[in-house]
Amino acid sequence: NAGVTQTPKFQVLKTGQSMTLQCAQDMNHEYMSWYRQDPGMGLRLIHYSVGAGITDQGEVPNGYNVSRSTTEDFPLRLLSAAPSQTSVYFCASSYGSSYNSPLHFGNGTRLTVT
Amino acid sequence: AQKITQTQPGMFVQEKEAVTLDCTYDTSDPSYGLFWYKQPSSGEMIFLIYQGSYDQQNATEGRYSLNFQKARKSANLVISASQLGDSAMYFCAMREGDMEYGNKLVFGAGTILRVKS
Repeated sequence: NAGVTQTPKFQVLKTGQSMTLQCAQDMNHEYMSWYRQDPGMGLRLIHYSVGAGITDQGEVPNGYNVSRSTTEDFPLRLLSAAPSQTSVYFCASSYGSSYNSPLHFGNGTRLTVT
Repeated sequence: AQKITQTQPGMFVQEKEAVTLDCTYDTSDPSYGLFWYKQPSSGEMIFLIYQGSYDQQNATEGRYSLNFQKARKSANLVISASQLGDSAMYFCAMREGDMEYGNKLVFGAGTILRVKS
């Protein structure tokens, strides 16, 4: 049981480049989300999805796009990378989005934008 | 306004002693859950313990317990008999709302714990 799988683990981009961070889960979870982690700021929600075809913005959505065509996959797209997007990105999922559902996290992607 | 506040940026504890990591939260929703996660230096996020707003007893999971004081809106994590492997960043988080869908998990800034031998 792989859980939540994120690829790549590391990525370096130049300003203006685009890329997609991949996230897949094999737990049949309806809820999926993307967070970014920056020093001293904890984890901040970028986008989330409550099921295939349904996405919504979180706290810091600017510069990122998402889509959810299947239950399993929730890719995060950076359209035009900026140095401010240098961060560690986590994908996380839960069975439902009730208040008592813990999130299960992937191992993260460390992104550097130069 | 901050939903989750962790006032201790860093903590030290002697091996085998107990340590309390503080967490206060802010919500007007009667239905919410409080979670603690551990992030070791390797970077993964590990779910430790959960406390629901309607739970009458404090949650416990092995050496982890949650000191839940609802009136004070605090949910402190207590680690008993600290081990060197407990050295990590610890995050408090809250998920609030009665909605069937879309309740988001909000994190505090974290506390770095260092266990001394």
